[in-house]
Amino acid sequence: AQKVTQAQTEISVVEKEDVTLDCVYETRDTTYYLFWYKQPPSGELVFLIRRNSFDEQNEISGRYSWNFQKSTSSFNFTITASQVVDSAVYFCALSEAKYSGGGADGLTFGKGTHLIIQP
Amino acid sequence: DTEVTQTPKHLVMGMTNKKSLKCEQHMGHRAMYWYKQKAKKPPELMFVYSYEKLSINESVPSRFSPECPNSSLLNLHLHALQPEDSALYLCASSHLQGLSKNIQYFGAGTRLSVL
Repeated sequence: AQKVTQAQTEISVVEKEDVTLDCVYETRDTTYYLFWYKQPPSGELVFLIRRNSFDEQNEISGRYSWNFQKSTSSFNFTITASQVVDSAVYFCALSEAKYSGGGADGLTFGKGTHLIIQP
Repeated sequence: DTEVTQTPKHLVMGMTNKKSLKCEQHMGHRAMYWYKQKAKKPPELMFVYSYEKLSINESVPSRFSPECPNSSLLNLHLHALQPEDSALYLCASSHLQGLSKNIQYFGAGTRLSVL
């Protein structure tokens, strides 16, 4: 069975501070995908990043960066110089990476971290 | 364009009503998904369609009936729902092959209230 744990229920920081959202996962699959999604108050889930299980390179996109460590089953997300617009619920998610033609797999989500950026 | 369109945005129905939720995408995705999200909870997978065939049903009650008429459309037919079915229903779609395989793009959801 797959499981994603986001231990931080809510984080509140002042604008321009750096903040890291933690994600720990469990899976028996040898190949899998990890994701981060953002859900603002409007409700739509916005895709941020997908990482393959065999690719442990860290990634940076503007103020966002992700640290994937297979040895600790963690996929943490850091926002540098946070802004009020970053306020949202952030979900870490996991899915099996099926072979081509093997159909799709749904996402298993963590409980989410509510990030509040205060001006 | 990564747009998934869901209609209606809001729906109020009685327990004896029959209604349908609609989801549409024109990204050429061959996988489509229904998720249910209760307030302050993560989305939970309900159904997955791969190449227009139901491939995953997460033991969802039969009062929810999915349908995939073609590769661009996904419906969720609702009948005899219970008040505890009130939630945000999210549709998503993804490619089944290629570099962007399984990156799911979500619609804005239908907020359902069952009275």
